[in-house]
Amino acid sequence: GDSVTQMEGPVTLSEEAFLTINCTYTATGYPSLFWYVQYPGEGLQLLLKATKADDKGSNKGFEATYRKETTSFHLEKGSVQVSDSAVYFCALKINDYKLSFGAGTTVTVRA
Amino acid sequence: NAGVMQNPRHLVRRRGQEARLRCSPMKGHSHVYWYRQLPEEGLKFMVYLQKENIIDESGMPKERFSAEFPKEGPSILRIQQVVRGDSAAYFCASSAGAGMNTGELFFGEGSRLTVL
Repeated sequence: GDSVTQMEGPVTLSEEAFLTINCTYTATGYPSLFWYVQYPGEGLQLLLKATKADDKGSNKGFEATYRKETTSFHLEKGSVQVSDSAVYFCALKINDYKLSFGAGTTVTVRA
Repeated sequence: NAGVMQNPRHLVRRRGQEARLRCSPMKGHSHVYWYRQLPEEGLKFMVYLQKENIIDESGMPKERFSAEFPKEGPSILRIQQVVRGDSAAYFCASSAGAGMNTGELFFGEGSRLTVL
């Protein structure tokens, strides 16, 4: 079935470093793709999404481009802050309420 | 506006006991979804409920697991006679309308079940 595979963590960075978290998908068509983030002590929240090929989702300085050639949706941020420390989940839409999630990548940013 | 509230946050049970996990959706939301995250895996869909109705339980294990969302009160995920393989994080999500067509799914913090 449709699924995503994301980079294993944990990832530890210094403030202002560049962050990339890889996510690739397997799907029969071109489903919507998402990045969710879970900050410490909070629920998962939608960070960004892309609904079709070549779309770019962006939010809070994060970006991800839906690339059908490489079946990827990598998350990037040019300069991370301590407040970006969280668990990041890549997800694929199966239907209106079913999402297929990756295992999550824990990111820790040190001052 | 309070988000999706799940409790307990952490639950420890011995094999053979029952586990009950509760989820209060966001105010005004009448659609609830349960997901499970086994160790080292991604979240997997379990069940979709509206008030007093199960819409889709295709992700629920066939035995020992049940879910309800009564007219009043929170949604309950019940696991009877727990086994070690039930140890996981259980996430609840809610939405105002049916699924993501009307907006996003809002997730809770999750309830972590440990079976000894």
